[in-house]
Amino acid sequence: GNSVTQMEGPVTLSEEAFLTINCTYTATGYPSLFWYVQYPGEGLQLLLKATKADDKGSNKGFEATYRKETTSFHLEKGSVQVSDSAVYFCALTFNYQLIWGAGTKLIIKP
Amino acid sequence: DAGVIQSPRHEVTEMGQEVTLRCKPISGHDYLFWYRQTMMRGLELLIYFNNNVPIDDSGMPEDRFSAKMPNASFSTLKIQPSEPRDSAVYFCASSPPYRGGVEKLFFGSGTQLSVL
Repeated sequence: GNSVTQMEGPVTLSEEAFLTINCTYTATGYPSLFWYVQYPGEGLQLLLKATKADDKGSNKGFEATYRKETTSFHLEKGSVQVSDSAVYFCALTFNYQLIWGAGTKLIIKP
Repeated sequence: DAGVIQSPRHEVTEMGQEVTLRCKPISGHDYLFWYRQTMMRGLELLIYFNNNVPIDDSGMPEDRFSAKMPNASFSTLKIQPSEPRDSAVYFCASSPPYRGGVEKLFFGSGTQLSVL
């Protein structure tokens, strides 16, 4: 079946550090892939997406590339800020199914 | 658009009481989802609707939980009777149609439920 696996958190970094949050997936067919972000006390919101292999989604300095050969969609940012502290969810959608990763808490220290 | 609107924002109740959570999806979205989020279990899909019809309620924990969508602009999630283990944040999300399925979800701010 379809599934999403994310690296466990929390991930703690200093401001301006490089960020990678790993996400791998198992899916039949060709899913769309997403990163959602949840700031404290809020609902999830879409951060970026990619709908086919080799697509790169990007937003607010974050990037992720749809890698079919490694079934991965790792989230990266070159220089994180304290305001990036949040929980990040990797997800895939295929037809009506939306499959979520467990979420990775990111803590950025000034 | 105001986004997905949930009410109440916080609910504190005593065990055994009935709780009703409300959701107004974004106009034009024909999918509506109810999720529950806890530290222990993460994000769980409870039920989702398409065009006001419940499609998959396999995530509803037990008969104490029920959800309705009487029209395209309103849905409720009811817990009767409530128990302390129901304490969680409940999210409603809506989505426009995409190639006959779902693409991206728009979440409300959630209802923080505490059952004492």
